Amino acid sequence: NAGVMQNPRHLVRRRGQEARLRCSPMKGHSHVYWYRQLPEEGLKFMVYLQKENIIDESGMPKERFSAEFPKEGPSILRIQQVVRGDSAAYFCASSLKGDEQYFGPGTRLTVT
Amino acid sequence: GNSVTQMEGPVTLSEEAFLTINCTYTATGYPSLFWYVQYPGEGLQLLLKATKADDKGSNKGFEATYRKETTSFHLEKGSVQVSDSAVYFCALLGPSNKLVFGAGTILRVKS
Repeated sequence: NAGVMQNPRHLVRRRGQEARLRCSPMKGHSHVYWYRQLPEEGLKFMVYLQKENIIDESGMPKERFSAEFPKEGPSILRIQQVVRGDSAAYFCASSLKGDEQYFGPGTRLTVT
Repeated sequence: GNSVTQMEGPVTLSEEAFLTINCTYTATGYPSLFWYVQYPGEGLQLLLKATKADDKGSNKGFEATYRKETTSFHLEKGSVQVSDSAVYFCALLGPSNKLVFGAGTILRVKS
């Protein structure tokens, strides 16, 4: 049973570009979560999605960030017009029923 | 609101020493509690969990007991190995299935 997959593992963007991070949940899991780990900080919740629905986006910055989990395909976290402060590790997790969450390897975003 | 406090690291131990990493929480009600481990350059792996008071989670020699009276979920291992060197995160499951994490504790085990 494949685990949570994320790609790319490393992403370098210049200031002002767009970053797209993808997450494929574990087979059979319909709950997806995104967390961000900033340097020297812990992990912070960003958004919780189920298929085609955003359940809770209270941790998402109000501007430039968006997330989706379409009926077909992976979940996407999109960051428009990236700034240096967006440099972080972004982790996706999935769960079967909203209990135990299993994490992917993360995407490490560097903004130059 | 919900929060998790972990002991600050790094914790440096010799191989075969006893490990305790303290974790306390603040929450409404009795949330499920978790320990995750993160090895360098990797994602988080679920280490163990407990869903109600007095439950003991255990895995790979690690244990933690859900203590309602002291709002604690301390991680213990009787004999650590070099391969246990990692960052350990305590977390609670809050409303809307959000995991709330502690700051993480770096563990370094020397041979």
